[in-house]
Amino acid sequence: AQKITQTQPGMFVQEKEAVTLDCTYDTSDQSYGLFWYKQPSSGEMIFLIYQGSYDEQNATEGRYSLNFQKARKSANLVISASQLGDSAMYFCAMREGSPGSFQKLVFGTGTRLLVSP
Amino acid sequence: DAGVTQSPTHLIKTRGQQVTLRCSPISGHKSVSWYQQVLGQGPQFIFQYYEKEERGRGNFPDRFSARQFPNYSSELNVNALLLGDSALYLCASSPAGVLSTDTQYFGPGTRLTVL
Repeated sequence: AQKITQTQPGMFVQEKEAVTLDCTYDTSDQSYGLFWYKQPSSGEMIFLIYQGSYDEQNATEGRYSLNFQKARKSANLVISASQLGDSAMYFCAMREGSPGSFQKLVFGTGTRLLVSP
Repeated sequence: DAGVTQSPTHLIKTRGQQVTLRCSPISGHKSVSWYQQVLGQGPQFIFQYYEKEERGRGNFPDRFSARQFPNYSSELNVNALLLGDSALYLCASSPAGVLSTDTQYFGPGTRLTVL
């Protein structure tokens, strides 16, 4: 069963508008972490934002915020005031493994975001 | 501060050959993880190393191996290359890799093409 689901293969947004990229996850762990990464065409995965399962506040980093709804098991990324440079693939990932042992990231299939002028 | 570096950037090999990919983590980071990203998919976990020891391995055949050196840099080796090994290989570093708040920071990747 897929543990990270990103249902939007592609999204379009106009410059300066806000956009929400969807992510749902599946885990039976009580302690887990959720990450969003941006991957431009160059290939490098750029860390954007992190949300811990016990964090009560939604994470924010500049123009990025994470809409964390634990009961729904969703962790949507909101990008405010989109810029042309935001055009890229966006991956949602969940950390698997227990604290104190090794932990790996499990990624979704990604959403391609295109920002138009 | 320098980020994660990987070499080479691109590589072309033929089936049956062997390849070695290299990664240097962020200064102060002791854990290195390797991921394979096939075109159109998200990265898949291959290995994690911490303090020169393998800590975890993904669902990859024994043709894949890795090691970590005393300076925390790492090498990924793939033997008997198959066409399906063509992918972007990403290296990620984190301070320790075991804390719940550890974030993995990725390098630019090595793009391997197997002909």
